[in-house]
Amino acid sequence: GENVEQHPSTLSVQEGDSAVIKCTYSDSASNYFPWYKQELGKRPQLIIDIRSNVGEKKDQRIAVTLNKTAKHFSLHITETQPEDSAVYFCAPIYGGSQGNLIFGKGTKLSVKP
Amino acid sequence: EPEVTQTPSHQVTQMGQEVILRCVPISNHLYFYWYRQILGQKVEFLVSFYNNEISEKSEIFDDQFSVERPDGSNFTLKIRSTKLEDSAMYFCASSEVEKLFFGSGTQLSVL
Repeated sequence: GENVEQHPSTLSVQEGDSAVIKCTYSDSASNYFPWYKQELGKRPQLIIDIRSNVGEKKDQRIAVTLNKTAKHFSLHITETQPEDSAVYFCAPIYGGSQGNLIFGKGTKLSVKP
Repeated sequence: EPEVTQTPSHQVTQMGQEVILRCVPISNHLYFYWYRQILGQKVEFLVSFYNNEISEKSEIFDDQFSVERPDGSNFTLKIRSTKLEDSAMYFCASSEVEKLFFGSGTQLSVL
């Protein structure tokens, strides 16, 4: 089955700094790569996603880059703000499946004011 | 903005009892899912449902679990004989294609 690894498990940055979280996966058939943000006690929310035919996608302060050859994709947050503090999960879709997202173990991001 | 809604928000039950968790997916979505999250851990896939049948299920989704779409709007997860280790947050989700939208979850506590 799909093996998903996320690094780092915790990340602490100063407000205004950038944060990068990396996700590696094993299933070469995976073709959809989302990132979810989960605030404490709340639901996971999709913040950005990318498909396998695209290398990079940006949405304001958030970007995702994909390296299909190396089987990893990364979340980039620039100009971090305290409200970015949350747990971030990568969840590549298991190749060929519908909605069987395999979540990573999460990265707890803390943004210090 | 349309949302996935789940009821109840909290459910406390005795070990061995049956529970039914309810979900109302977003109305134009065709795919429905159940995930669970044990406290402090990652979100785990349980089952996906399309066209009135299960399309995929994980190893967690054993014979004690079942799903149903009893009418045009509700999607339910039944746990037949709850165990202590079933205690978790259960999230329902729905999608048109791959972008999943999650409900706010049902916190299940099995005593």
